[in-house]
Amino acid sequence: QVQLQESGPGLLKPSETLSLTCTVSGGSISNFYWSWVRQPAGKGPEWIGRIYSSGSTNYNTSLKSQITMSVDTSKNQFSLRLTSVTAADTAVYYCARGYSYGYYYMDVWGKGITVTVSS
Amino acid sequence: EIVLTQSPGTLSLSPGERATLSCRSSQSVSSSYLAWYQQKPGQAPRLLIYGASSRATGIPDRFSGSGSGTDFTLTISRLEPEDFAVYYCQQYGSSPPALTFGGGTKVEIK
Repeated sequence: QVQLQESGPGLLKPSETLSLTCTVSGGSISNFYWSWVRQPAGKGPEWIGRIYSSGSTNYNTSLKSQITMSVDTSKNQFSLRLTSVTAADTAVYYCARGYSYGYYYMDVWGKGITVTVSS
Repeated sequence: EIVLTQSPGTLSLSPGERATLSCRSSQSVSSSYLAWYQQKPGQAPRLLIYGASSRATGIPDRFSGSGSGTDFTLTISRLEPEDFAVYYCQQYGSSPPALTFGGGTKVEIK
């Protein structure tokens, strides 16, 4: 059974760079899309972007200038880098697996990591 | 950019009742790319329905999805206590590749 686990700092100051890693266990990272989704308290989810196991990426256009995603297949991990964070980036950040064969949906999710941006 | 509008915002029902949740898209969406998720407090979203009408693995048959084009519906035939939660629809668009979520419908106990 595939499981995902987010890791990274829970508290950042404005203008700092957020770096999160998602570790995939119980299965291979190959041949899937891997997404980051965030959710501010009391609001709906927002898709940040996705990376394929080959390294190809697609980003939310509203965040594109701030985002870099990468994948390390040898470690079964993928990562998110979000630059110049502000209070508006405070949210629970989830990683999720995307199934893309004939459909597109996210069928496996991590538990989420709370990220707070505050001075 | 496709916008998904979910209604109602909150649905107050009793266990055993039928719940009907709506998701409307600002543009036509391929049914293959429409999914529904359930989220309980403190938990990640859980996939319920993909391809507009296919239940995900382990999802009870009281959950069903329907619709096409710009109008999609999630129906819970008889609410169980564990079904009270927030439900989100999500669509995938391929040009350019992007995912969007609806604003959610909260199903609460009346």
